[in-house]
Amino acid sequence: QKEVEQNSGPLSVPEGAIASLNCTYSDRGSQSFFWYRQYSGKSPELIMFIYSNGDKEDGRFTAQLNKASQYVSLLIRDSQPSDSATYLCAVSEYSGGGADGLTFGKGTHLIIQP
Amino acid sequence: DAGITQSPRHKVTETGTPVTLRCHQTENHRYMYWYRQDPGHGLRLIHYSYGVKDTDKGEVSDGYSVSRSKTEDFLLTLESATSSQTSVYFCAISDVRGGEQYFGPGTRLTVT
Repeated sequence: QKEVEQNSGPLSVPEGAIASLNCTYSDRGSQSFFWYRQYSGKSPELIMFIYSNGDKEDGRFTAQLNKASQYVSLLIRDSQPSDSATYLCAVSEYSGGGADGLTFGKGTHLIIQP
Repeated sequence: DAGITQSPRHKVTETGTPVTLRCHQTENHRYMYWYRQDPGHGLRLIHYSYGVKDTDKGEVSDGYSVSRSKTEDFLLTLESATSSQTSVYFCAISDVRGGEQYFGPGTRLTVT
């Protein structure tokens, strides 16, 4: 059973601080990693993806991947109240064969305190 | 929502009735997916399609069937709805297998 684990939270962070969200996954064959943001009652919105070890930055967001430790994280700098949402970590094992689709964690609820 | 629509957006139905949910995309993406989202379980893959008439099962496919007769449409059918199928259903699309997926607005289905 492939698993993606996230701390459910809530994670409370002051406005302007760095929010750090973490995710671990069980399948060493995992190839691609994604972070989605989901507001209450809305659909998941892709905010970052990363395929290689190391860091990937996009505006205020940085995704970090460590395949040896089976760990992926998302940093949000200068956190804003509008960043308050549930953040979903997702993993794809597809690498040219086998099953398709993403395996999701249950999400971390992030609250940015003004 | 990346040119993805789902219909209906809300539906209430009775146990034992058939239900079909529709996903329509205007992005011409090859890959399409159906997920369900439930409290305590997160998003789980039901079925996916890797081309017209090419579909396969996901993690929670029992009680569901799918069809894809055109690139733009992916249908999810509950042959005989049960209360355990009460959920929010999301369609997703991708132009790269194993790559990033974009989600539709979702359908909230209640089976009474």
